[in-house]
Amino acid sequence: DGGITQSPKYLFRKEGQNVTLSCEQNLNHDAMYWYRQDPGQGLRLIYYSQIVNDFQKGDIAEGYSVSREKKESFPLTVTSAQKNPTAFYLCASSYPAGAGYGYTFGSGTRLTVV
Amino acid sequence: AQSVTQLGSHVSVSEGALVLLRCNYSSSVPPYLFWYVQYPNQGLQLLLKYTSAATLVKGINGFEAEFKKSETSFHLTKPSAHMSDAAEYFCAAADLKRNAGGTSYGKLTFGQGTILTVHP
Repeated sequence: DGGITQSPKYLFRKEGQNVTLSCEQNLNHDAMYWYRQDPGQGLRLIYYSQIVNDFQKGDIAEGYSVSREKKESFPLTVTSAQKNPTAFYLCASSYPAGAGYGYTFGSGTRLTVV
Repeated sequence: AQSVTQLGSHVSVSEGALVLLRCNYSSSVPPYLFWYVQYPNQGLQLLLKYTSAATLVKGINGFEAEFKKSETSFHLTKPSAHMSDAAEYFCAAADLKRNAGGTSYGKLTFGQGTILTVHP
């Protein structure tokens, strides 16, 4: 079955470390997105990519980095510059509009700084 | 920029009662609108979406939503709540823009979420 796989499900990071969250999709979607979820704040866009080798900053990109070397993969690195990284991170992908437009979400990665 | 407002961060209903979750968007041009449901420590599941076709949209699990342009609203309803409906619900809007290749994509803007509690 097609879908989005995020790994790991739980991740613990020491202060000062960089960590990378994995997101893989086999839906043949062109666009991929990373969102951060905090209680009471909904979901906020970190980065998005509409095509391979291209990506744009979202609303809260500071302290994060991404790459899009393959259509199927959009990993997110949480760097030591992110001052408050503890959160639930969701990856999503989508078709272009007018072609069964909609977003599919992964099951998320919960990152905790220890 | 698009903004989405969900009125009420917590809604509590009795089993069998009407569920009404409120959502308003800010764009003057009607965007694509979505309702998602999230269970603890899981991703988001699409309940329904409005894409400029019928204004009354039916979704999964007995939910429906009505798009009202004059009120810039897209409220979610279900006639009779079940215990299994207890979850967090998110309204989202997507403004579409064309990229260099002429393809339309949209970034989803989410409301802050409404936690639905269902009492026996």
